Amino acid sequence: DIVMTQSPDSLALSLGERATINCKSSQSVLYSRNNKNYFAWYQQRPGQPPKLLINWASTRESGVPDRFSGSGSGTDFTLAIRSLQAEDVAVYYCQQYYSTPHTFGQGTKVEIK
Amino acid sequence: EVQLVQSGAEVKKSGESLRISCKASGYSFTTYWIAWVRQLPGKGLEWMGIIYPGDSNTRYSPSFRGQVTISADSSITTAYLQWNSLGASDSAMYYCARCPSTTLQPLYVDYWGQGTLVAVSS
Repeated sequence: DIVMTQSPDSLALSLGERATINCKSSQSVLYSRNNKNYFAWYQQRPGQPPKLLINWASTRESGVPDRFSGSGSGTDFTLAIRSLQAEDVAVYYCQQYYSTPHTFGQGTKVEIK
Repeated sequence: EVQLVQSGAEVKKSGESLRISCKASGYSFTTYWIAWVRQLPGKGLEWMGIIYPGDSNTRYSPSFRGQVTISADSSITTAYLQWNSLGASDSAMYYCARCPSTTLQPLYVDYWGQGTLVAVSS
């Protein structure tokens, strides 16, 4: 199985600050034939199911605010929230869908300081 | 509108069997994968397995293989997650989730069900 490791486990920032979450995979999730990273980010607000934010490492899902951005390739990826809003309080998960099982990171909890 | 509507919360005893369901609507059921994801209380997401209703191709995480059975009935656009003998450690929230595919390989989750809470007492 591909192991996904997120850092940090939690972070507390002030409104308007930039949040950065990292995710590292135990092997590359870049498929050489199409040069695509099989990698996604999800947001899970308290009491709700997760929601897809970003797929293919950097493609924002329709309706996701542009303050969310994804970057990275191969084994190292980053989710950035440009200006933290109150509604961004949630746990964020990375996932690889390069090979089954489609493993998730352990999650990063984002809070407002 | 794509919808995945899961069956209601369950309270069971250790050793009992259980099948929970995920009713899909608003899209072609046989051309997307359905995954099941477990979330233990206060913990993260665990990918359990996935089925392609078009041909019943099913894959399991090694952590869950032999512990659960995933199935689907295309005639009623419903996917299932089943246990033959529950244990207290199966107490969790279970989500079904739709995954698009490319070259018949499953991709990311684009829609999630609302979750089914399973509580198992010993």
